[in-house]
Amino acid sequence: DVVMTQSPLSLPVTLGQPASISCRSSQSLEHSDGNTYLNWFQQRPGQPPRLLIDKVSNRDSGVPDRFSGSGSGTDFTLKISRVEAEDVGVYYCMQGTHWPPWTFGQGTKVEVK
Amino acid sequence: QVQLVESGGGAVQPGGSLRLSCAASGFTFTAYGIHWVRQAPDKGLEWVAVISHDGRNKNYADSVKGRFTISRDDSQNALYLQMNSLRTEDTAIYYCTIFSHWGLGTLVTVSS
Repeated sequence: DVVMTQSPLSLPVTLGQPASISCRSSQSLEHSDGNTYLNWFQQRPGQPPRLLIDKVSNRDSGVPDRFSGSGSGTDFTLKISRVEAEDVGVYYCMQGTHWPPWTFGQGTKVEVK
Repeated sequence: QVQLVESGGGAVQPGGSLRLSCAASGFTFTAYGIHWVRQAPDKGLEWVAVISHDGRNKNYADSVKGRFTISRDDSQNALYLQMNSLRTEDTAIYYCTIFSHWGLGTLVTVSS
């Protein structure tokens, strides 16, 4: 199984400042079809997860452009250019290249300092 | 708009059974493989099972293999998860998802 490792696990942020979350996979997530199936999800307190980004860098519909995803191979990053109060929650990366199983990172808790 | 609505959760003793349902609407149900993902209290997300768009292929996490069965009824736009031989570690919120959309989840509590 592919192991997904996120860092940091806790991220205190200042409103208006940037934030960055790293996600590393135990093997390359580049699929033979040329795509890299790495998604990012946001889970606000008390809510289900919400897809932010799929295939490394494609923002889902309605996701603010302050969120961006990048990376390749085994190293991926989610960046928030300017953190807003509504961004508080837990962020998960997930791989869908080598399945089953689909595997998630441990989650990164973003909170305001 | 896409909606996924789970039901069937509840409290059950270890060794017991439950059947979860997921009612889908707002998208072409037969075009999608659909997953169950669970989240234990104050823990992360764990993929549980998937059924292909045509129902022919099913995959399970090792933690539930042989105990859980995923199925779908395309005439009802419904997804199911039959859970047998439940263990305390199965306690979680169970989400029905196509990853671009998630239901609100249904809580399963396994306790004596």
